[in-house]
Amino acid sequence: DVKVTQSSRYLVKRTGEKVFLECVQDMDHENMFWYRQDPGLGLRLIYFSYDVKMKEKGDIPEGYSVSREKKERFSLILESASTNQTSMYLCASSSTREFSGETQYFGPGTRLLVL
Amino acid sequence: AQTVTQSQPEMSVQEAETVTLSCTYDTSESNYYLFWYKQPPSRQMILVIRQEAYKQQNATENRFSVNFQKAAKSFSLKISDSQLGDTAMYFCAFKNNAGNMLTFGGGTRLMVKP
Repeated sequence: DVKVTQSSRYLVKRTGEKVFLECVQDMDHENMFWYRQDPGLGLRLIYFSYDVKMKEKGDIPEGYSVSREKKERFSLILESASTNQTSMYLCASSSTREFSGETQYFGPGTRLLVL
Repeated sequence: AQTVTQSQPEMSVQEAETVTLSCTYDTSESNYYLFWYKQPPSRQMILVIRQEAYKQQNATENRFSVNFQKAAKSFSLKISDSQLGDTAMYFCAFKNNAGNMLTFGGGTRLMVKP
């Protein structure tokens, strides 16, 4: 089974802090994604990566950056956390080798509260 | 850009009954994929069912089936014999054939009542 893990289930940070959210997948997937989930808005894509050191902006990249130094690990960085970044953050991965519409596999999520 | 709309923010159903969740989408593409994902309370999001747009036959996975109406751009999920474990948020998602990204709807919170 594909396993996607996230470094924290819950985080509380102060406004202005630098925040790192980490995601690791164990299935050698090429693609990794970061979403934020807010009530009524569903999931919105922040960034995705299709290879090591490669990244593309999603729908809402402002205020975020990402890093992918190794294939299995994809980090989301909030350079200076703000209260409007309080949200649930979900990581996902998928394989381009899988001829199945590239199903995405999700991590358990990190609930971030910025005070 | 594609959009996905789930018009029912919340639904409830009695255990053992059937419920249908609605999803509509907007795209100019002819080849694409549609998904239903389930997110149980405090648990991981998992894939429920997947449909390729070029296939006319509706996808089925045990108690879960879809009604895919390509011309109407509609992709509803039917859950038969509802169980308490079906209580969850359900998200409809769209992926075009060429890209990697999913576009999600706003979600439907389903509660199955005993």
